[in-house]
Amino acid sequence: DAGITQSPRHKVTETGTPVTLRCHQTENHRYMYWYRQDPGHGLRLIHYSYGVKDTDKGEVSDGYSVSRSKTEDFLLTLESATSSQTSVYFCAISQGADEKLFFGSGTQLSVL
Amino acid sequence: GENVEQHPSTLSVQEGDSAVIKCTYSDSASNYFPWYKQELGKGPQLIIDIRSNVGEKKDQRIAVTLNKTAKHFSLHITETQPEDSAVYFCAASPNQGGKLIFGQGTELSVKP
Repeated sequence: DAGITQSPRHKVTETGTPVTLRCHQTENHRYMYWYRQDPGHGLRLIHYSYGVKDTDKGEVSDGYSVSRSKTEDFLLTLESATSSQTSVYFCAISQGADEKLFFGSGTQLSVL
Repeated sequence: GENVEQHPSTLSVQEGDSAVIKCTYSDSASNYFPWYKQELGKGPQLIIDIRSNVGEKKDQRIAVTLNKTAKHFSLHITETQPEDSAVYFCAASPNQGGKLIFGQGTELSVKP
């Protein structure tokens, strides 16, 4: 999947606990994105990054934070997980704005 | 902001027939329209894309058409094969930092 590694691949956690998902890329692409996928909603953008320490909100950013301290790593944190955050999370990368997006394999997160 | 509507949500065709998936978008500033294919348990993969200065693009059995005036674009798959069975997503870029807005997805089933 275009040199993108998401970890963990699966996680089950309890409501109220913090969760961090990691995306690692080996392509040296400038842009990185976090999407969530839910039935009937397609993929919705949570946050994105256009460079180290440069991030911005997407469509559904409430309850999520991100950090990018290195070009290759983009972290998504759920400060206090809720059941509505049960979803499949995809990381994506692109070389620039309006460029082709390449997706990782996803992380299945279940919040009980 | 941009809104993308995709139809139909499910599509079943016989092997060898053609399949057409349609999307409409709301933001006339959108200028990049990719299509993704997602197989079970995997991340979406880009199969074809088109920019607003082009009306049609083909790649073997796959073609995409764009009508900027009507703000809709379509994916055409000819001579369908069982391996074309997957979920297909359209997307549009409102030219705001490379953020893609996705349609809800179409589950295509090709019956042998």
